[in-house]
Amino acid sequence: NAGVTQTPKFQVLKTGQSMTLQCAQDMNHEYMSWYRQDPGMGLRLIHYSVGAGITDQGEVPNGYNVSRSTTEDFPLRLLSAAPSQTSVYFCASRYDRASGNEQFFGPGTRLTVL
Amino acid sequence: QQQVKQSPQSLIVQKGGIPIINCAYENTAFDYFPWYQQFPGKGPALLIAIRPDVSEKKEGRFTISFNKSAKQFSLHIMDSQPGDSATYFCAASSRTGRRALTFGSGTRLQVQP
Repeated sequence: NAGVTQTPKFQVLKTGQSMTLQCAQDMNHEYMSWYRQDPGMGLRLIHYSVGAGITDQGEVPNGYNVSRSTTEDFPLRLLSAAPSQTSVYFCASRYDRASGNEQFFGPGTRLTVL
Repeated sequence: QQQVKQSPQSLIVQKGGIPIINCAYENTAFDYFPWYQQFPGKGPALLIAIRPDVSEKKEGRFTISFNKSAKQFSLHIMDSQPGDSATYFCAASSRTGRRALTFGSGTRLQVQP
C-alpha cells in the first residue's frame, strides 16, 4: 500500500493563478480531508468528504473547492491564488466518519503564492 | 475560536528527561484524543490516542494522562531520546457533526544529547 499520496511536493504560483493539488489513497477509506498547516496555528480543516459524491466545508474553506468523484481521489482546487494561501497542505484519510478511527496523512504540498 | 489549546510552544530537554506537553479543550462532545508526531518535511503520524473513559494510556515510552473533569490531557515521554525531537500535536474529534480532527497549535520538542 502506498497509503496517502500527494502531488506536487512543491509549487510556486503567482497571485491569481489557479491550480489543483492532487490527493489519492489506496486503503479504500471513505473519509478524506484537506488541512493547511501554518506556523503556530496547527492544522486547520479546509474541506472534507465522507464518501464519493459527498463533500462539505471545514473551518477555512474560502478560496478552495473540492470534489470526490471516486473513493480514491480527493483533489483540492485553488480558484485564484492569493499570498494568504501560502502554506503547507496535507491530505488525510481514515476508514469512515466514526470518531476514533486512525487518520493517515500524506507527505504534504508546500505552496508559495507570490 | 481555538477549541484545543496546546502548551508549551517549544520545549528543550536533555536526553533521558521527561517532556510533558499539555492540552485543554472546550467541546464536551469530543470523544477521541490522539497525539500526532511530525518530523520536518513529513506529514503528521499517529503516536498514541485515548478515549475519555480511561484516565491514562501507555504505549512504550509514551503516556497520555486524561482529566475529563478538567477537560485536559497531556503527553509524557519517558526516557526521551534525540530521535524524539519533532513537533507534537494534540487533537480531538467529536462523535457528532463533522467528526473531523481539531488540532492544537503544536509543540516543537528538542531533545539534546
